[in-house]
Amino acid sequence: DTAVSQTPKYLVTQMGNDKSIKCEQNLGHDTMYWYKQDSKKFLKIMFSYNNKELIINETVPNRFSPKSPDKAHLNLHINSLELGDSAVYFCATGYTNEKLFFGSGTQLSVL
Amino acid sequence: RKEVEQDPGPFNVPEGATVAFNCTYSNSASQSFFWYRQDCRKEPKLLMSVYSSGNEDGRFTAQLNRASQYISLLIRDSKLSDSATYLCVVDTNTGNQFYFGTGTSLTVIP
Repeated sequence: DTAVSQTPKYLVTQMGNDKSIKCEQNLGHDTMYWYKQDSKKFLKIMFSYNNKELIINETVPNRFSPKSPDKAHLNLHINSLELGDSAVYFCATGYTNEKLFFGSGTQLSVL
Repeated sequence: RKEVEQDPGPFNVPEGATVAFNCTYSNSASQSFFWYRQDCRKEPKLLMSVYSSGNEDGRFTAQLNRASQYISLLIRDSKLSDSATYLCVVDTNTGNQFYFGTGTSLTVIP
Protein backbone atom coordinates (compact mmCIF):
# COMPACT_ATOMS: atom_id res chain seq x y z
CA ASP A 1 0.00 0.00 0.00
CA THR A 2 1.26 3.47 -0.88
CA ALA A 3 1.56 5.53 2.30
CA VAL A 4 0.89 8.91 0.69
CA SER A 5 -0.89 8.79 -2.63
CA GLN A 6 -1.85 11.69 -4.79
CA THR A 7 -3.78 11.78 -8.04
CA PRO A 8 -3.52 12.50 -10.84
CA LYS A 9 0.19 12.11 -11.57
CA TYR A 10 -0.09 14.35 -14.63
CA LEU A 11 -2.62 17.08 -15.27
CA VAL A 12 -2.75 19.07 -18.49
CA THR A 13 -5.40 21.75 -18.77
CA GLN A 14 -6.30 25.05 -20.33
CA MET A 15 -5.99 28.47 -18.74
CA GLY A 16 -9.09 29.50 -16.84
CA ASN A 17 -10.16 25.98 -15.92
CA ASP A 18 -10.79 24.75 -12.38
CA LYS A 19 -9.03 21.56 -11.27
CA SER A 20 -8.45 19.49 -8.16
CA ILE A 21 -5.59 17.31 -6.98
CA LYS A 22 -6.32 14.65 -4.40
CA CYS A 23 -4.12 13.39 -1.59
CA GLU A 24 -4.69 10.49 0.76
CA GLN A 25 -2.52 9.10 3.54
CA ASN A 26 -2.78 5.88 5.51
CA LEU A 27 -0.05 6.67 8.03
CA GLY A 28 -2.32 8.15 10.68
CA HIS A 29 -0.39 11.42 10.64
CA ASP A 30 -1.99 14.47 12.16
CA THR A 31 -0.71 17.07 9.71
CA MET A 32 -0.90 17.28 5.94
CA TYR A 33 0.80 19.74 3.61
CA TRP A 34 0.84 20.98 0.06
CA TYR A 35 4.11 22.06 -1.50
CA LYS A 36 4.77 23.59 -4.91
CA GLN A 37 8.02 22.91 -6.77
CA ASP A 38 8.62 25.34 -9.58
CA SER A 39 10.86 25.08 -12.62
CA LYS A 40 13.85 26.15 -10.53
CA LYS A 41 13.22 23.13 -8.29
CA PHE A 42 12.50 25.25 -5.21
CA LEU A 43 10.01 23.58 -2.84
CA LYS A 44 7.67 26.12 -1.32
CA ILE A 45 5.09 25.46 1.38
CA MET A 46 1.57 26.36 0.35
CA PHE A 47 -0.56 25.02 3.20
CA SER A 48 -0.28 23.00 6.33
CA TYR A 49 -3.38 21.55 7.93
CA ASN A 50 -4.36 19.45 10.89
CA ASN A 51 -7.73 19.02 12.48
CA LYS A 52 -7.28 22.16 14.46
CA GLU A 53 -5.55 24.61 12.26
CA LEU A 54 -5.12 25.62 8.65
CA ILE A 55 -2.06 27.70 7.96
CA ILE A 56 -1.86 29.42 4.65
CA ASN A 57 1.29 30.81 3.18
CA GLU A 58 0.38 34.44 2.59
CA THR A 59 1.92 34.42 -0.86
CA VAL A 60 -0.47 31.74 -2.14
CA PRO A 61 -3.24 33.26 -4.32
CA ASN A 62 -6.75 32.71 -3.00
CA ARG A 63 -7.49 30.78 -6.20
CA PHE A 64 -5.88 27.89 -4.33
CA SER A 65 -7.94 26.28 -1.60
CA PRO A 66 -7.28 23.14 0.44
CA LYS A 67 -10.21 20.95 1.33
CA SER A 68 -10.04 18.22 3.95
CA PRO A 69 -13.04 15.90 4.14
CA ASP A 70 -11.35 13.88 6.90
CA LYS A 71 -8.00 13.36 8.62
CA ALA A 72 -6.69 11.10 5.87
CA HIS A 73 -7.36 13.45 2.96
CA LEU A 74 -6.25 16.91 1.92
CA ASN A 75 -7.25 17.91 -1.57
CA LEU A 76 -6.10 20.99 -3.44
CA HIS A 77 -8.58 22.89 -5.53
CA ILE A 78 -7.40 25.50 -8.00
CA ASN A 79 -9.72 28.01 -9.65
CA SER A 80 -9.08 29.96 -12.85
CA LEU A 81 -5.78 28.30 -13.64
CA GLU A 82 -2.98 30.51 -14.95
CA LEU A 83 0.16 29.74 -16.92
CA GLY A 84 2.27 30.46 -13.84
CA ASP A 85 0.53 27.69 -11.93
CA SER A 86 2.44 25.12 -13.99
CA ALA A 87 4.63 23.24 -11.55
CA VAL A 88 4.90 19.98 -9.63
CA TYR A 89 2.64 19.87 -6.58
CA PHE A 90 3.58 17.55 -3.72
CA CYS A 91 1.38 16.43 -0.90
CA ALA A 92 3.20 15.55 2.32
CA THR A 93 2.20 14.25 5.73
CA GLY A 94 3.77 13.97 9.15
CA TYR A 95 3.32 14.22 12.87
CA THR A 96 3.62 17.75 14.22
CA ASN A 97 7.16 19.03 13.63
CA GLU A 98 8.41 15.60 12.67
CA LYS A 99 9.79 14.31 9.39
CA LEU A 100 7.67 14.51 6.27
CA PHE A 101 6.54 11.78 3.92
CA PHE A 102 5.80 12.89 0.38
CA GLY A 103 3.44 11.73 -2.30
CA SER A 104 4.86 11.10 -5.75
CA GLY A 105 3.79 14.51 -7.05
CA THR A 106 1.37 15.90 -9.60
CA GLN A 107 2.86 17.60 -12.62
CA LEU A 108 0.46 20.36 -13.63
CA SER A 109 0.80 21.93 -17.07
CA VAL A 110 -1.41 24.89 -17.90
CA LEU A 111 -1.64 25.66 -21.61
CA ARG B 1 17.49 36.68 3.94
CA LYS B 2 16.07 33.28 3.01
CA GLU B 3 14.97 31.02 5.84
CA VAL B 4 17.24 28.21 4.62
CA GLU B 5 20.20 28.67 2.31
CA GLN B 6 22.26 26.08 0.52
CA ASP B 7 24.97 26.20 -2.10
CA PRO B 8 23.13 24.97 -5.21
CA GLY B 9 26.28 23.46 -6.71
CA PRO B 10 26.50 21.54 -8.90
CA PHE B 11 29.05 19.33 -7.23
CA ASN B 12 30.71 16.89 -9.63
CA VAL B 13 32.89 14.39 -7.81
CA PRO B 14 34.60 11.13 -8.77
CA GLU B 15 33.51 7.83 -7.30
CA GLY B 16 35.05 7.24 -3.93
CA ALA B 17 35.41 10.92 -3.10
CA THR B 18 34.24 12.58 0.09
CA VAL B 19 31.88 15.51 -0.34
CA ALA B 20 30.33 17.89 2.17
CA PHE B 21 27.29 20.15 1.94
CA ASN B 22 26.43 22.97 4.27
CA CYS B 23 23.15 24.68 4.96
CA THR B 24 22.42 27.77 7.03
CA TYR B 25 19.10 28.66 8.65
CA SER B 26 17.76 31.94 9.96
CA ASN B 27 15.38 30.96 12.77
CA SER B 28 17.33 30.39 15.96
CA ALA B 29 14.25 28.78 17.55
CA SER B 30 14.15 25.93 15.00
CA GLN B 31 14.19 22.50 16.61
CA SER B 32 13.96 19.92 13.84
CA PHE B 33 16.49 19.45 11.06
CA PHE B 34 16.62 16.99 8.21
CA TRP B 35 18.41 16.12 5.02
CA TYR B 36 16.25 14.90 2.16
CA ARG B 37 17.30 13.46 -1.15
CA GLN B 38 15.41 14.12 -4.38
CA ASP B 39 16.04 12.22 -7.58
CA CYS B 40 15.06 13.71 -10.93
CA ARG B 41 11.28 13.78 -11.38
CA LYS B 42 10.71 12.04 -8.05
CA GLU B 43 9.47 13.09 -4.65
CA PRO B 44 11.86 14.10 -1.85
CA LYS B 45 12.72 11.24 0.48
CA LEU B 46 14.15 11.46 3.95
CA LEU B 47 17.87 10.72 4.02
CA MET B 48 18.44 11.38 7.69
CA SER B 49 17.40 13.49 10.63
CA VAL B 50 20.02 15.73 12.18
CA TYR B 51 20.52 15.54 15.92
CA SER B 52 22.28 17.99 18.20
CA SER B 53 25.08 15.57 18.97
CA GLY B 54 25.62 14.71 15.32
CA ASN B 55 24.70 11.37 13.82
CA GLU B 56 26.00 8.87 11.31
CA ASP B 57 24.27 6.41 9.03
CA GLY B 58 26.74 4.31 7.07
CA ARG B 59 28.62 6.61 4.70
CA PHE B 60 26.54 9.62 5.70
CA THR B 61 27.26 11.93 8.64
CA ALA B 62 25.09 14.86 9.66
CA GLN B 63 26.08 17.60 12.06
CA LEU B 64 24.29 20.54 13.65
CA ASN B 65 25.91 23.74 14.85
CA ARG B 66 23.30 25.75 16.73
CA ALA B 67 25.62 28.61 17.60
CA SER B 68 26.36 29.30 13.94
CA GLN B 69 22.96 28.07 12.75
CA TYR B 70 24.12 25.62 10.16
CA ILE B 71 23.83 21.94 9.44
CA SER B 72 26.10 19.82 7.34
CA LEU B 73 26.03 16.54 5.46
CA LEU B 74 29.17 14.54 4.75
CA ILE B 75 29.16 11.71 2.23
CA ARG B 76 32.14 9.39 2.25
CA ASP B 77 33.17 6.96 -0.49
CA SER B 78 30.70 8.43 -2.99
CA LYS B 79 28.78 6.01 -5.18
CA LEU B 80 27.22 6.64 -8.58
CA SER B 81 23.85 6.08 -6.94
CA ASP B 82 24.45 9.07 -4.65
CA SER B 83 23.85 11.38 -7.63
CA ALA B 84 20.79 13.43 -6.68
CA THR B 85 19.73 16.76 -5.22
CA TYR B 86 20.15 17.06 -1.46
CA LEU B 87 17.66 19.25 0.36
CA CYS B 88 18.18 20.84 3.74
CA VAL B 89 14.95 21.06 5.76
CA VAL B 90 14.34 23.11 8.90
CA ASP B 91 11.18 23.59 10.94
CA THR B 92 9.87 27.09 11.41
CA ASN B 93 8.96 26.48 15.05
CA THR B 94 5.53 27.93 14.26
CA GLY B 95 2.50 26.27 12.83
CA ASN B 96 3.77 22.86 11.80
CA GLN B 97 5.69 24.14 8.82
CA PHE B 98 9.05 23.36 7.32
CA TYR B 99 11.33 25.36 5.11
CA PHE B 100 13.28 23.67 2.36
CA GLY B 101 16.57 24.84 0.99
CA THR B 102 16.92 25.18 -2.76
CA GLY B 103 18.90 21.96 -2.85
CA THR B 104 22.46 21.03 -3.72
CA SER B 105 22.99 19.03 -6.88
CA LEU B 106 25.51 16.19 -6.69
CA THR B 107 26.78 14.15 -9.62
CA VAL B 108 29.16 11.29 -8.94
CA ILE B 109 31.30 10.54 -11.97
CA PRO B 110 32.70 7.09 -12.80
